[in-house]
Amino acid sequence: AQSVTQPDIHITVSEGASLELRCNYSYGATPYLFWYVQSPGQGLQLLLKYFSGDTLVQGIKGFEAEFKRSQSSFNLRKPSVHWSDAAEYFCAVVGDNKFYFGSGTKLNVKP
Amino acid sequence: NAGVTQTPKFQVLKTGQSMTLQCAQDMNHNSMYWYRQDPGMGLRLIYYSASEGTTDKGEVPNGYNVSRLNKREFSLRLESAAPSQTSVYFCASSDPPGPNEQFFGPGTRLTVL
Repeated sequence: AQSVTQPDIHITVSEGASLELRCNYSYGATPYLFWYVQSPGQGLQLLLKYFSGDTLVQGIKGFEAEFKRSQSSFNLRKPSVHWSDAAEYFCAVVGDNKFYFGSGTKLNVKP
Repeated sequence: NAGVTQTPKFQVLKTGQSMTLQCAQDMNHNSMYWYRQDPGMGLRLIYYSASEGTTDKGEVPNGYNVSRLNKREFSLRLESAAPSQTSVYFCASSDPPGPNEQFFGPGTRLTVL
């Protein structure tokens, strides 16, 4: 069965520091992977997606993610975090025409 | 384009009351979805509709019913609300089903007393 694990519930980083949010997935075939961001009181917005090809994917707002099949991971990174990046981040895998979301990682940004 | 719209934005119900959450999309998408979001649990799929005229259960369908009224609209009904259904509900759409992004509505915050 498909599943997504985001091991970090909360992360706090200082503004300007680098960021890595972890995502591990379970899926038998080639996965379709997504990262979404949710600002407080808002719906979810797509950051980036991976279908095939280059394993390093660029997204909006300066985010990138790397697909590592050997580790079943799709970690999200940003070189320098801005205060406006404070939000909750969700990783998702598509299987059987349905999305399976992780439980989310809440990012706090210290001034 | 308004994208995905949901009504109402907020709702308070008493236990046993019924209500319908409305969702509409103007992107001509075939597939539509209802999720609930609870703290620490991410988004869980309640029901989905792969295409007009079809609906299927998701992970947590108990206590809910859905109607795919037409290609644009997908409603979620709570027949007899329970406190356990206090949650934030999101509607989403995509086209075609599969590896295309889902577009989300702004959510409905429901409290059942």
